Order: sequence, then structure tokens, then C-alpha cells
Amino acid sequence: GNSVTQMEGPVTLSEEAFLTINCTYTATGYPSLFWYVQYPGEGLQLLLKATKADDKGSNKGFEATYRKETTSFHLEKGSVQVSDSAVYFCALINSGGSNYKLTFGKGTLLTVNP
Amino acid sequence: GAVVSQHPSRVICKSGTSVKIECRSLDFQATTMFWYRQFPKKSLMLMATSNEGSKATYEQGVEKDKFLINHASLTLSTLTVTSAHPEDSSFYICSARRSEKLFFGSGTQLSVL
Repeated sequence: GNSVTQMEGPVTLSEEAFLTINCTYTATGYPSLFWYVQYPGEGLQLLLKATKADDKGSNKGFEATYRKETTSFHLEKGSVQVSDSAVYFCALINSGGSNYKLTFGKGTLLTVNP
Repeated sequence: GAVVSQHPSRVICKSGTSVKIECRSLDFQATTMFWYRQFPKKSLMLMATSNEGSKATYEQGVEKDKFLINHASLTLSTLTVTSAHPEDSSFYICSARRSEKLFFGSGTQLSVL
């Protein structure tokens, strides 16, 4: 079956530090990969996605590259801000997934201090 | 953008009581909604797919008689945890499908004493 493993949190960084949150996956076929973000008191929001190998998703300064050879989709940002403090979820939908059923990782809490 | 409202955000109840959680799509119609559950330090796990006007589809291992799902309108799905027990304490979150995208509620933290 499908599974997503992401880095255990919490992660605490100072403003302007470099961020990496690791994510690896197990899936049959060729899944689409996602990063969702949940800010305090809000619902999950799609941050970025990639639908095929070597695609790079990017948004708000965050990037993640779909690496089929290492089955990874690590999230990176060069310079984090206090406003990036949130929980980040890595997720996948299996190939041909017209059912929109997401498989999530456990989530990683990021706290950015001024 | 599309908004999904989930209510309540937090509920504490006694063992044996039932709890209803609502998920509303505020500015769009959603024929399909999803319910997820997250135990501490575990992944968000899909519990069931809620389809307007028909019975929900439950994932393996989820008791349909315990977790009642009603999707009576295009903007509302409800999850009722019946005869709740402490082991049902968890974070529950819904999502609604709009075209090719999914929009999530803010979640409900259920604590059963």
C-alpha cells in the first residue's frame, strides 16, 4: 500500500535560516506528490505539488523536487520567516487517482523565531 | 478562494455519548467530501468518502456503525461519533472536493473522558 514518511518534528529555526523537511514515499505506479501547510487555527492548504518525476513544485519561496530514484519529495526554503510557522504535511495520490484519496505523512511542526 | 468550515473546533464529551461534527463548503457545492482522523504522532488517515445523496464509502478497518456520515446536501457533510470512548479521542478533519482541488476544514479535536 501507499505510505509517506516525513521528518519528525518539531523543527525550530531562527528567521532567515535554511529549511529542509524530508519526505519519502512508497507507492505503486507513479503518484502525484503534494505539500500541504496548516497555519494555526486554519485548514490545510495546498502549498505545492508535482505530478511526475523531476518536476519541481514551488510556491511562496518553498520548493520540492519529485525524485523518483530516491522516492523523495523534500521541502526546502532558503530563508524562513516567522509567518512560515505552521504544520507541514507531505502527501501523495496514486497514479490514476481520480478518487482524490490522499495518503499523508504525520506532519512536521515548524516554529520560526524572530 | 474556496472555504470549508468545520465545527466545532474542539469538543470534550463523556464516554458513551455521541458527538456530531459538521463540515460545510461555504461558497461552492461539493458532491464529494472526505473525513480524516489523526492520532497523536500518527499520519492523517482517510476514514471515509462522503458522497452527496448516497451512502458513504468507508476505508478498511473503520466501523461504519460507529462513525455515521451523512451528506444530505451539496454543502454539508456530518460525522457522528456514536457512543464515544476514550480511544476515539483524536483530531478529525474534513475536506471537500471542488473540481480538481481539495479544500480542508480546520479540524476538530475530540477528547472523550
